[in-house]
Amino acid sequence: QSALTQPASVSGSPGQSITISCSGTSSDLGGYDYVSWYQQHPGKAPKLMIYEVSNRPSGVSNRFSGSKSGNKASLTISGLQAEDEADYYCSSYTMRSTYVFGTGTTVTVL
Amino acid sequence: EVRLLESGGDLVQPGGSLRLSCAASGFTFSSYDMSWVRQAPGKGLEWVSILSGSGSSRIYYADSVKGRFTISRDNSKNTLYLQMNSLRAEDTAVYYCAKRIVGGGPDFDYWGQGTLVTVSS
Repeated sequence: QSALTQPASVSGSPGQSITISCSGTSSDLGGYDYVSWYQQHPGKAPKLMIYEVSNRPSGVSNRFSGSKSGNKASLTISGLQAEDEADYYCSSYTMRSTYVFGTGTTVTVL
Repeated sequence: EVRLLESGGDLVQPGGSLRLSCAASGFTFSSYDMSWVRQAPGKGLEWVSILSGSGSSRIYYADSVKGRFTISRDNSKNTLYLQMNSLRAEDTAVYYCAKRIVGGGPDFDYWGQGTLVTVSS
């Protein structure tokens, strides 16, 4: 199972909006509405930010939103803040009943 | 408060074995699927394995560990395990256990702090 494809890095200024893409295939991301997004700060465990494409767990800021179209999912961070600087990973269910993570994107707040 | 505490990470030689443990508290352990996810130094996340709450269904592995790793749980002890055999250098990573929320996706709402496994001679 190959990792989902994400851009290596995305940057933006405070207050701006940025979007991170996540590309897969019809055997994983495109075939199911089971896409999650995680935020990971250096040396810390990942934190669930979005599940089932667009749902936010309790406590996650509404500045984070998710969407999906075809074989591509996206995470949008609006009103970018310094604390949003971290690595972000998408993840998807696959047709083999396994899971796969994306390659990861480093978000830099300029 | 939900807590997951991994242990068992160590330095092991190639071909060796190791068993990781994940002690859970703060929730009804037997009601939730649990998973292992690893992260090699400086690399991204890699899903490893998942096991249903009952311990008897939804047992799946990543291709990279299938046939070498075995996931199990003891619900009477609120503990998840990962038996790792025939270890390779590429298995070197921080191993996290994670609790999955109810549903079908890779929705892991709680993670442990991780335990480091180093495979080297």
